[in-house]
Amino acid sequence: DTGVSQDPRHKITKRGQNVTFRCDPISEHNRLYWYRQTLGQGPEFLTYFQNEAQLEKSRLLSDRFSAERPKGSFSTLEIQRTEQGDSAMYLCASSLVAGVPEAFFGQGTRLTVV
Amino acid sequence: QKEVEQNSGPLSVPEGAIASLNCTYSDRGSQSFFWYRQYSGKSPELIMFIYSNGDKEDGRFTAQLNKASQYVSLLIRDSQPSDSATYLCAVNSNSGYALNFGKGTSLLVTP
Repeated sequence: DTGVSQDPRHKITKRGQNVTFRCDPISEHNRLYWYRQTLGQGPEFLTYFQNEAQLEKSRLLSDRFSAERPKGSFSTLEIQRTEQGDSAMYLCASSLVAGVPEAFFGQGTRLTVV
Repeated sequence: QKEVEQNSGPLSVPEGAIASLNCTYSDRGSQSFFWYRQYSGKSPELIMFIYSNGDKEDGRFTAQLNKASQYVSLLIRDSQPSDSATYLCAVNSNSGYALNFGKGTSLLVTP
């Protein structure tokens, strides 16, 4: 499978715990994005990487959230001290640098904070 | 003001009819416009993009862009029950990297 891969697909955690999600983009894609989607809403942009550089962060990305892409390949999104409001689908997407930024999404990680 | 607006629906059309989905956006500087399809519980799937005024056709899908009026639409010809899904309109942000999504329009194609 050469698409965007996310792990885990589902995560249930207790409030206050830390969680980490992983995203492996399409291999030749230099751009990587994280989005969050809640029920009935469209995806909301969280952050963007070009290679290993984090170039843009949404104000939605509070100080409890951190994302890394250490070698310009896979990326991780960590949420510290989870809250019930963090329950959502976390989507990763990737695109090429050149041309129109057609972003292809992974299957997402569904987080439930109890 | 929401940057990308879509009617949430549901839009119901009979099988074989043309489904018309509309989207308006507020940022006149936007250059690229995307339509995604999302089945319940699944991730968004890119259908097509458009960046020039006019029409762009791909199979049963036609995207239409009118930058002066700040709207983009998606026509689905010969609608099939398998087209029943939520259709998300996305517009590139000021930075050019991130996409701003609408809430999506739910489409139901009835046999």
